[in-house]
Amino acid sequence: RKEVEQDPGPFNVPEGATVAFNCTYSNSASQSFFWYRQDCRKEPKLLMSVYSSGNEDGRFTAQLNRASQYISLLIRDSKLSDSATYLCVVNSGNNRKLIWGLGTSLAVNP
Amino acid sequence: DTAVSQTPKYLVTQMGNDKSIKCEQNLGHDTMYWYKQDSKKFLKIMFSYNNKELIINETVPNRFSPKSPDKAHLNLHINSLELGDSAVYFCASSPLNSNQPQHFGDGTRLSIL
Repeated sequence: RKEVEQDPGPFNVPEGATVAFNCTYSNSASQSFFWYRQDCRKEPKLLMSVYSSGNEDGRFTAQLNRASQYISLLIRDSKLSDSATYLCVVNSGNNRKLIWGLGTSLAVNP
Repeated sequence: DTAVSQTPKYLVTQMGNDKSIKCEQNLGHDTMYWYKQDSKKFLKIMFSYNNKELIINETVPNRFSPKSPDKAHLNLHINSLELGDSAVYFCASSPLNSNQPQHFGDGTRLSIL
C-alpha cells in the first residue's frame, strides 16, 4: 500500500458544483495533515491544515478520519480559479518528513 | 519581499556539466528542504537541513551535494549531470519540523540536453 494515496482524476465539474476528494494514508502514527494546491508549472501552496475535529475555510472543508486513515477535502460552489492539482500531505510517523500524494487534478468548467 | 527564493528559475545545460541552485528564505525558519518533482509530477524529498545540520538524505546519488552556510540558505550542487536529472527542483522551509506546513520557492526547471 502506498504511503499516501489519492485518486489522480481528472475531476471535471461545472462552476458552482460541490466536489470532494479523499486521500488515504498508511502510517497510523502520522500526526499532521495538510492539503496543498499546485497550479500548472508553479510551486505547491498550502491550502489548509487538517485538524482532528475538522475545519473550514470559506468554501473549503477538511476532515480527518483517524480510524479509517483518510482525510478529505470538500469544495463548495466551485470557481474557475479552483482548477488546479490538490495534493494530500501527511507527516511521517517519526516527524522527520512530509509524504506527498501524487495529487488530484480538478478542472472547473464554465 | 519574497519568502523563499531560489535561483536560477531555468537551467538548461549539457550532460556531464556541474551546476548549482541557490535557495534563501527570509521567514526565520529553522528547517529547509530540497524536493525533486519529475515529469510524473511526483514530489519527492531529497534533503532536509535543520539549523545547518543535515537531518534527511533520501537515497540521493552522491552527485548531489547540499550545502547550508547558515540556516537561511540551502544550496544544491549537482556534479556530472545526467539526462534523468531533468526535473523541477523546489526549495522549501518550515519553522521547525514536518509537523508544520512548508513554504516553497517557485522552483528551478532543470533541463539536460
